[in-house]
Amino acid sequence: AQSVTQPDIHITVSEGASLELRCNYSYGATPYLFWYVQSPGQGLQLLLKYFSGDTLVQGIKGFEAEFKRSQSSFNLRKPSVHWSDAAEYFCAVGGATNKLIFGTGTLLAVQP
Amino acid sequence: EPEVTQTPSHQVTQMGQEVILRCVPISNHLYFYWYRQILGQKVEFLVSFYNNEISEKSEIFDDQFSVERPDGSNFTLKIRSTKLEDSAMYFCASRSRTGGENEKLFFGSGTQLSVL
Repeated sequence: AQSVTQPDIHITVSEGASLELRCNYSYGATPYLFWYVQSPGQGLQLLLKYFSGDTLVQGIKGFEAEFKRSQSSFNLRKPSVHWSDAAEYFCAVGGATNKLIFGTGTLLAVQP
Repeated sequence: EPEVTQTPSHQVTQMGQEVILRCVPISNHLYFYWYRQILGQKVEFLVSFYNNEISEKSEIFDDQFSVERPDGSNFTLKIRSTKLEDSAMYFCASRSRTGGENEKLFFGSGTQLSVL
């Protein structure tokens, strides 16, 4: 079955600290992988995506993610978190048609 | 950056009533989608729409749901007789052509539907 697991429902980090949000997926074919961010009252904004090629993907706002096929993971990282990064983060997997399967999300809080 | 626009941002309705959620996709886009997110749960795919017909739908999208592109700009989701469990955030999304590395799905900011 196709699914995405984000094991951390809520994470709190201090401003300036590093961040890693976990994502594991189950998908029958070669996956297209995505990370979206949702700020309160906003839509889902694409941070980055992996389709093929280099397994380390750079995105907007200083985020990156690494695709590890052997671990079925696509974890999101940022070396130094800013207060404005507080939001909910969704990992998603899909195929060429862009029908996406989302994880339950990780709510990130940033302490001053 | 272009935007997908959804109206209203919040909708409250009585159980059994019909609701229409409205979306204005990005103007040159050809593929349209509805997703929903029940509070505390995953964002779930409902339906995709291309060339004036449904191209794929999920098990959630039963006979109570319908979609329409009544003119060249709007894309609507109708729920004929709302149930309490239809309460959710509904997201519209669109993209320009067949998926590939350079394609991107644009999401609207959602309509929060509350069924009382």
